[in-house]
Amino acid sequence: GNSVTQMEGPVTLSEEAFLTINCTYTATGYPSLFWYVQYPGEGLQLLLKATKADDKGSNKGFEATYRKETTSFHLEKGSVQVSDSAVYFCALSDTGGFKTIFGAGTRLFVKA
Amino acid sequence: SAVISQKPSRDICQRGTSLTIQCQVDSQVTMMFWYRQQPGQSLTLIATANQGSEATYESGFVIDKFPISRPNLTFSTLTVSNMSPEDSSIYLCSVKHRDWDYGYTFGSGTRLTVV
Repeated sequence: GNSVTQMEGPVTLSEEAFLTINCTYTATGYPSLFWYVQYPGEGLQLLLKATKADDKGSNKGFEATYRKETTSFHLEKGSVQVSDSAVYFCALSDTGGFKTIFGAGTRLFVKA
Repeated sequence: SAVISQKPSRDICQRGTSLTIQCQVDSQVTMMFWYRQQPGQSLTLIATANQGSEATYESGFVIDKFPISRPNLTFSTLTVSNMSPEDSSIYLCSVKHRDWDYGYTFGSGTRLTVV
């Protein structure tokens, strides 16, 4: 079946450092891929998405590219801020979006 | 995008009791989803609720324990029945956008503690 594997956290970075959170997936068909962010005490928010191979999703300085050849969707940001401290979830949805599978989540701490 | 109002935001309950969580959406949606997020863990899908039909439960979740209602296209409830401390979790409702490019929207969650 479909699955998502995400790098374990927590990840601790200093402000303005480069961020990479790895995400790989296993899926049949042509899934859509997402990154969601969960700030402390809040629900999940969609950060970015990609619906087909080679698509690049981007939002708020974060980027991720749908790599079918490596079955990856790594999240990157060139310069993190303290306000980026949150838990990040990689997710995969089947064609049509009837079921979504989430990775384990990666907690990011950014120090001033 | 859709806006979801979920309540209560948190509750502390005695074991053996039941709690009903409400999820109100500001637009009509076909599919609503209920998730559980145990402390420090990822989200696990409990069930999918479609208006006018029985909810579809995932493996490990049963209707007697987590009955769901979906009376119309903007509202759903999840009940956690006969609670035990193991049910302490965050429960989230979610809807799928008609425009799939927007993915899913989540409610802010209900943080349940069973004592």
